Amino acid sequence: DAKTTQPPSMDCAEGRAANLPCNHSTISGNEYVYWYRQIHSQGPQYIIHGLKNNETNEMASLIITEDRKSSTLILPHATLRDTAVYYCIVRRAQSGSARQLTFGSGTQLTVLP
Amino acid sequence: SAVISQKPSRDICQRGTSLTIQCQVDSQVTMMFWYRQQPGQSLTLIATANQGSEATYESGFVIDKFPISRPNLTFSTLTVSNMSPEDSSIYLCSVEIGGRGDTQYFGPGTRLTVL
Repeated sequence: DAKTTQPPSMDCAEGRAANLPCNHSTISGNEYVYWYRQIHSQGPQYIIHGLKNNETNEMASLIITEDRKSSTLILPHATLRDTAVYYCIVRRAQSGSARQLTFGSGTQLTVLP
Repeated sequence: SAVISQKPSRDICQRGTSLTIQCQVDSQVTMMFWYRQQPGQSLTLIATANQGSEATYESGFVIDKFPISRPNLTFSTLTVSNMSPEDSSIYLCSVEIGGRGDTQYFGPGTRLTVL
């Protein structure tokens, strides 16, 4: 699976949009981009995933560049409860292949009051 | 999605003993995974546990140390055997739900401290 690069930390003001970048320049055509977050040593929480089109759900939006080499997770109105480590992960979607998620170091997002 | 529970949520154990962690999911799933998160570190996969077959362990993890059972499609256990302080970690199970891209959902974790 392709490796990802994320900034180690970011700050965001409460109520503002949080934009978390992720580089995955070696991503292949059959790999999805997944985002998870982990709040203070709880189990990771699934946020969103996408292949090549932009995606939106009740938690966030995922913007994937046209060449798919990078993506941005957008939390539209960050709250203090969004303070967490955010992980960007790419993984093949084919059945029978390695299914595990490979976690990097992630981005520590701190939402400031 | 899936609702996943783990027992115990935390434990403090003595060196040389063993602890069995349970993972229960509210729906039938084929693939379950066990991860470890050491203090201050990211998650590392221990093994993949599919119902009806033996668990597949990642490099650095062996069955004698981390035996896994998967008796049915909603339940799995991970045992941490002959524990040492280096085994102090959060242990997490996850399940994969099929569909577009196949998504993994995680349990709340078991925080283990070995004295």
